[in-house]
Amino acid sequence: RKEVEQDPGPFNVPEGATVAFNCTYSNSASQSFFWYRQDCRKEPKLLMSVYSSGNEDGRFTAQLNRASQYISLLIRDSKLSDSATYLCVVNRTDSWGKLQFGAGTQVVVTP
Amino acid sequence: EAGVTQFPSHSVIEKGQTVTLRCDPISGHDNLYWYRRVMGKEIKFLLHFVKESKQDESGMPNNRFLAERTGGTYSTLKVQPAELEDSGVYFCASSPEVKTTYEQYFGPGTRLTVT
Repeated sequence: RKEVEQDPGPFNVPEGATVAFNCTYSNSASQSFFWYRQDCRKEPKLLMSVYSSGNEDGRFTAQLNRASQYISLLIRDSKLSDSATYLCVVNRTDSWGKLQFGAGTQVVVTP
Repeated sequence: EAGVTQFPSHSVIEKGQTVTLRCDPISGHDNLYWYRRVMGKEIKFLLHFVKESKQDESGMPNNRFLAERTGGTYSTLKVQPAELEDSGVYFCASSPEVKTTYEQYFGPGTRLTVT
């Protein structure tokens, strides 16, 4: 079983709509959680960290559910520029430098 | 501030040849990481340097891969001899300070094709 699992999508979203997707992680020792964004043939870039109480950054909202071991990302008022692959990333305390990536969820925002 | 840089951006080599990838982290970043993404798979960790020391090399696939970071600045990743399954995108990342992974800054990657 993969440590981090994501629905690959694609999620086709009309411009202005809301889209949400989840990621599950298998290791309860996971301690830090992130969403990275990766554009086609580019490097991953940190979108936001995910905190236990949930957090918001503009149109993006991240939630963490430790009991069920999943993380979610919600994008409101989608823009064409939000089209990308969103990578769920976790980090364990016993290997603090080692990020574990999901395979990514592709989001396509259409006009 | 300059970001993480990697060289070359692309490399095409034949099976059995040797390739050396280079990564220059953001200046002052003690932590340097190598990751790899093979076709259709997720990005996977290879190893982590803290300054010039290997903190974690649990992701190195086999002894054909050798990573170095002499002097704690840039790093090289050598693949010798290369096999077909080594094809993929090799990312380098760096982060400041010891014992923090709040953000790893990724380089643009080296796309390696082994034919």
